[in-house]
Amino acid sequence: EPEVTQTPSHQVTQMGQEVILRCVPISNHLYFYWYRQILGQKVEFLVSFYNNEISEKSEIFDDQFSVERPDGSNFTLKIRSTKLEDSAMYFCASGRGMDEKLFFGSGTQLSVL
Amino acid sequence: GQNIDQPTEMTATEGAIVQINCTYQTSGFNGLFWYQQHAGEAPTFLSYNVLDGLEEKGRFSSFLSRSKGYSYLLLKELQMKDSASYLCAVRDRNTDKLIFGTGTRLQVFP
Repeated sequence: EPEVTQTPSHQVTQMGQEVILRCVPISNHLYFYWYRQILGQKVEFLVSFYNNEISEKSEIFDDQFSVERPDGSNFTLKIRSTKLEDSAMYFCASGRGMDEKLFFGSGTQLSVL
Repeated sequence: GQNIDQPTEMTATEGAIVQINCTYQTSGFNGLFWYQQHAGEAPTFLSYNVLDGLEEKGRFSSFLSRSKGYSYLLLKELQMKDSASYLCAVRDRNTDKLIFGTGTRLQVFP
């Protein structure tokens, strides 16, 4: 079965550093998402991306965050200057259509020290 | 805005049946999803309801009542591997994102 892949699985960084989290969505999917989950808390929506632009973003997704689909396969989340509170599991997800289920990648555990 | 409520924790015995409830308030409903999440892993899709009624898929069933803003996930013949968090998620009309509840952590005991 096709799957969403994310790299790296773990990322440790110093506060203030930039990180890029990478995702390869399922190939025939058109809708792409980033979610995050702080340890012990719920899965939170960050941003959705369709037709090469952001379609929706949450209030968490401030100017420190950006997303890009640099080629036909990759979908990246960049955090420009990480903060301690950015430590979380970041999940990429993709969907075939607007009303369809989302498939989640296995996540990148980001630890900001 | 949206509000999704589900119990924080539940316990059950292997072989039993458990029902996990979810209530929601949303400005425009366009589908309810149930996901399973084992600790440290990604959510995996279990079921989808957009019309009222029961959807059955093997040991798992999900029910929806749109007028009551209510859904439940029914797990039959519980197995130890069913110990996980069960996430209720709602999609609004005119949006493509899913909003998740806090999840219900289910522990299955022998």
